[in-house]
Amino acid sequence: DADVTQTPRNRITKTGKRIMLECSQTKGHDRMYWYRQDPGLGLRLIYYSFDVKDINKGEISDGYSVSRQAQAKFSLSLESAIPNQTALYFCATSDSGTGKEKLFFGSGTQLSVL
Amino acid sequence: GENVEQHPSTLSVQEGDSAVIKCTYSDSASNYFPWYKQELGKGPQLIIDIRSNVGEKKDQRIAVTLNKTAKHFSLHITETQPEDSAVYFCAPDTGRRALTFGSGTRLQVQP
Repeated sequence: DADVTQTPRNRITKTGKRIMLECSQTKGHDRMYWYRQDPGLGLRLIYYSFDVKDINKGEISDGYSVSRQAQAKFSLSLESAIPNQTALYFCATSDSGTGKEKLFFGSGTQLSVL
Repeated sequence: GENVEQHPSTLSVQEGDSAVIKCTYSDSASNYFPWYKQELGKGPQLIIDIRSNVGEKKDQRIAVTLNKTAKHFSLHITETQPEDSAVYFCAPDTGRRALTFGSGTRLQVQP
């Protein structure tokens, strides 16, 4: 089945470390997104990319960077992790050709920064 | 940007009862109104959506209603079942950028 895969599923790191969360998809979608989920705050947009050469900041991009290595791959980096970046991170995709608003989510990466 | 509010934040119902979750938005240009369901340990999944030229849409036990004048839309679940227990998110969209999600409603269906 076409899918959105996030790695790792869980990660524990220390303050100040650089970490990368990876997302790959086999859906053939051109649009990819990174969201962060905190209890009681819903899903907040970090970055999004409408094609390989397009990168856009979301509402909470400070402290994060992204790389769209290929249409199927979109990675999220924390250059120097801090404890308030502890959260559940979701990658999502959508197709601009049809139903562009419909998002397909990965299973999430639980990140803990100590 | 879009300001989205969802109510209630938690909802507990008895199996077989109905549940209603309301989403209020600020951008009058919003023209697409989806609801996502997130089960424990999974990513959100689209369950129903509606466009601005339609007032109501049903799919078996779930329905979405839209009031564009008042800028709100609601998710209705009838004959609730334990498997409806999840977190539900609205995400009104203008089509200009990525979706802005509400803060979520945790629905608990008591057997």
